[in-house]
Amino acid sequence: DAGITQSPRYKITETGRQVTLMCHQTWSHSYMFWYRQDLGHGLRLIYYSAAADITDKGEVPDGYVVSRSKTENFPLTLESATRSQTSVYFCASSDKGGVAGANVLTFGAGSRLTVL
Amino acid sequence: RKEVEQDPGPFNVPEGATVAFNCTYSNSASQSFFWYRQDCRKEPKLLMSVYSSGNEDGRFTAQLNRASQYISLLIRDSKLSDSATYLCVVNIFGNQFYFGTGTSLTVIP
Repeated sequence: DAGITQSPRYKITETGRQVTLMCHQTWSHSYMFWYRQDLGHGLRLIYYSAAADITDKGEVPDGYVVSRSKTENFPLTLESATRSQTSVYFCASSDKGGVAGANVLTFGAGSRLTVL
Repeated sequence: RKEVEQDPGPFNVPEGATVAFNCTYSNSASQSFFWYRQDCRKEPKLLMSVYSSGNEDGRFTAQLNRASQYISLLIRDSKLSDSATYLCVVNIFGNQFYFGTGTSLTVIP
């Protein structure tokens, strides 16, 4: 299906375990993003990527690793999960273009992660 | 100071009412502006882009005031299905998006 998909949608893990959240988009968008959303904080940027093999830190990158070997995939890895990383994670993509050149963000359905 | 600020609400309005949300942004270099809608436990979805001249989509009207650095969203004839959280989003450069914390709307029968 066309669009942006995330997997898994729900994940329960234990402290110290490694977890990878997958994100796949079919539009060949240049930009991809990972956000986390927590009550009281809104959406916070973890990492973003401007193109394949180009990634950069966002507001809250500590404890996370990303890679982007292919344009369509942007996995997020929690190397050693902590309880504070319990959150809802949204992947998003955008591309220059659209009406009046505006960059529009399109989100995946989210991955709900619980770290016990 | 936050890049984007919104009144979190909640706004509780009766069906058929008109409700307005405002959002202020701090960076005068901001280029693009959007309103997103987020339903409980789901992803944000684009409601409408906001253009300098203002724009309307059915019952929804968005306005941009660059001089005062705020954007607004007006919802007329509120429906029960409008109940959601509305996020103000500002794009400064290609990869820099800033979000408000959202305004909660509940439309009451």
